[in-house]
Amino acid sequence: AQTVTQSQPEMSVQEAETVTLSCTYDTSESDYYLFWYKQPPSRQMILVIRQEAYKQQNATENRFSVNFQKAAKSFSLKISDSQLGDAAMYFCAYRSYTGANSKLTFGKGITLSVRP
Amino acid sequence: DSGVTQTPKHLITATGQRVTLRCSPRSGDLSVYWYQQSLDQGLQFLIQYYNGEERAKGNILERFSAQQFPDLHSELNLSSLELGDSALYFCASGRTSGTGELFFGEGSRLTVL
Repeated sequence: AQTVTQSQPEMSVQEAETVTLSCTYDTSESDYYLFWYKQPPSRQMILVIRQEAYKQQNATENRFSVNFQKAAKSFSLKISDSQLGDAAMYFCAYRSYTGANSKLTFGKGITLSVRP
Repeated sequence: DSGVTQTPKHLITATGQRVTLRCSPRSGDLSVYWYQQSLDQGLQFLIQYYNGEERAKGNILERFSAQQFPDLHSELNLSSLELGDSALYFCASGRTSGTGELFFGEGSRLTVL
């Protein structure tokens, strides 16, 4: 079974600075998806960024980018120019590519606070 | 707006009672997933349905059951409720092709007193 590990329960960043959230995963599969979801105080689950394992290029979405290291099974999220609205819980998630019907497996999440 | 609709948004009930949570997936999505998020916890997968059939089971208690109807909406039934069942219950939907992510509803917050 696949597992996702987020070892840092909390992080803090100064507004306008850059922060990196870590995630590692374990799988024997070669094709899969990786995601970062954001959960603000409203509790809504919001997709931040996705990465397909077969793509070597790291995904980027505006201020959000990932460092995907397939051999190391590492998938970190970098938030540049942090804003107060980035304060939230962030979940790393894995999804098997097989049939694309498989569930999302989540890490325990990390709480990010942004200092003004 | 994710396109996934969950009702009710909030529910308060007593121990021993039974409740039903409802989910309407995004238009065109055949798969529905249920997750439980307890206080300060991550998301625990409960069960998945695809086009009316159960596809995968996670850490779902025997007191809980679910189904997906022909119109693809799904219901999660929670019975003999205990204090520990208080949680946020999410429904998500997704497709067999596309970009792989699941789209989440706003959740149903269940409080058992």
